[in-house]
Amino acid sequence: DVQLVESGGGLVQPGGSRKLSCAASRFTFSSFGMHWVRQAPEKGLEWVAYISSGSSTIYYTDTVKGRFTISRDNPKNTLFLQMTSLRSEDTAMYYCARKDYDYWGQGTTLTVSS
Amino acid sequence: DIKMTQSPSSMYASLGERVTITCKASQDINSYLSWFQQKPGKSPKTLIYRANRLVDGVPSRFSGSGSGQDYSLTISSLEYEDMGIYYCLQYDEFPPTFGGGTKLELK
Repeated sequence: DVQLVESGGGLVQPGGSRKLSCAASRFTFSSFGMHWVRQAPEKGLEWVAYISSGSSTIYYTDTVKGRFTISRDNPKNTLFLQMTSLRSEDTAMYYCARKDYDYWGQGTTLTVSS
Repeated sequence: DIKMTQSPSSMYASLGERVTITCKASQDINSYLSWFQQKPGKSPKTLIYRANRLVDGVPSRFSGSGSGQDYSLTISSLEYEDMGIYYCLQYDEFPPTFGGGTKLELK
């Protein structure tokens, strides 16, 4: 079955940076667009970013534009989210999901706090 | 951005009861709507896509309907394992936007 495994979360100070990864397996990664979706503690789901299969199309939610960068390495079947200028409000569980939201990873937790 | 208004935000229901959750979009979303179930500590699970298409393996007691701006998720006969939080998502336009969620609890 399709597998998506996020990693890279942890505790970061405000203003710091972090890079999340999502390792994909058991499907043809290079054929699918991918999303990052986050969920703050005890809150709802919030879409963060999208990248098309060949990286030609990228979208971000307004609150992360200029601070987050989504990218992918198709030969390595890996999706990334480079996050800079982190704020307390970026604290959340971060999920990667396949283009049609049919498969999600288990999430990785990012905490931004001093 | 398209706003998704989901209701109710929480509800209690009995086993065997018919349950309906609704989502209203701020504009026509052309049936580009999915429904997800999330249980504590777990990632979301997709139930329905394109408003009314059941994902493989999802029990047939779940169904989706609607068009234009108005959509609903129905559980025909509630089972214990259906407790959790349900979210709708529109993906007609970027940015995709989620409803605020419906927490479904056992009465």
